[in-house]
Amino acid sequence: RKEVEQDPGPFNVPEGATVAFNCTYSNSASQSFFWYRQDCRKEPKLLMSVYSSGNEDGRFTAQLNRASQYISLLIRDSKLSDSATYLCVVNMRYTRLSFGAGTTVTVRA
Amino acid sequence: EAGVTQSPTHLIKTRGQQATLRCSPISGHTSVYWYQQALGLGLQFLLWYDEGEERNRGNFPPRFSGRQFPNYSSELNVNALELEDSALYLCASSRGDSSGANVLTFGAGSRLTVL
Repeated sequence: RKEVEQDPGPFNVPEGATVAFNCTYSNSASQSFFWYRQDCRKEPKLLMSVYSSGNEDGRFTAQLNRASQYISLLIRDSKLSDSATYLCVVNMRYTRLSFGAGTTVTVRA
Repeated sequence: EAGVTQSPTHLIKTRGQQATLRCSPISGHTSVYWYQQALGLGLQFLLWYDEGEERNRGNFPPRFSGRQFPNYSSELNVNALELEDSALYLCASSRGDSSGANVLTFGAGSRLTVL
């Protein structure tokens, strides 16, 4: 079983729509969680950290469910510029960050 | 402030040759990570260096090796290149970190093509 699994998508949504997707992780000892964004042929960039109580950053909301071992990302009022691949990242203390393969989101006009 | 810089941007080699990729972390960052991203696939962890020491290694054969220099820059070496080594190699850095939990800043990557 992969350490981090994501639905590859693509999620095709119209501008203004809400889109949400999950990421599951296999190791219950995982401690840190992040969402990164990767544009086509570019390097990944941090979108947001994910905290236990859930957190928002503008139109983006991240949630952590430790019992079911998944994190989620919700994007409200989608913009064309939100089109990208979203990478789920999980870490266990004293080991390296594990990246999911990514979920592709395409926002259409 | 300069970001993470990688060189070369592109590299073309033939099977059996050796490739050397270089990475300079953000000033003040002492941890360097290397990831491989093959076309259409996710990031696969290769190596993690912190304070000059190898902290962790991914599930890659020994012909993938690297090192971190006293100035915290790093080098990734791939020996006996195979066609499937063709990929984007991403380097990332973070502040001094023994937990592996810090936020990573990535370089733009080195695209290696093996013919």
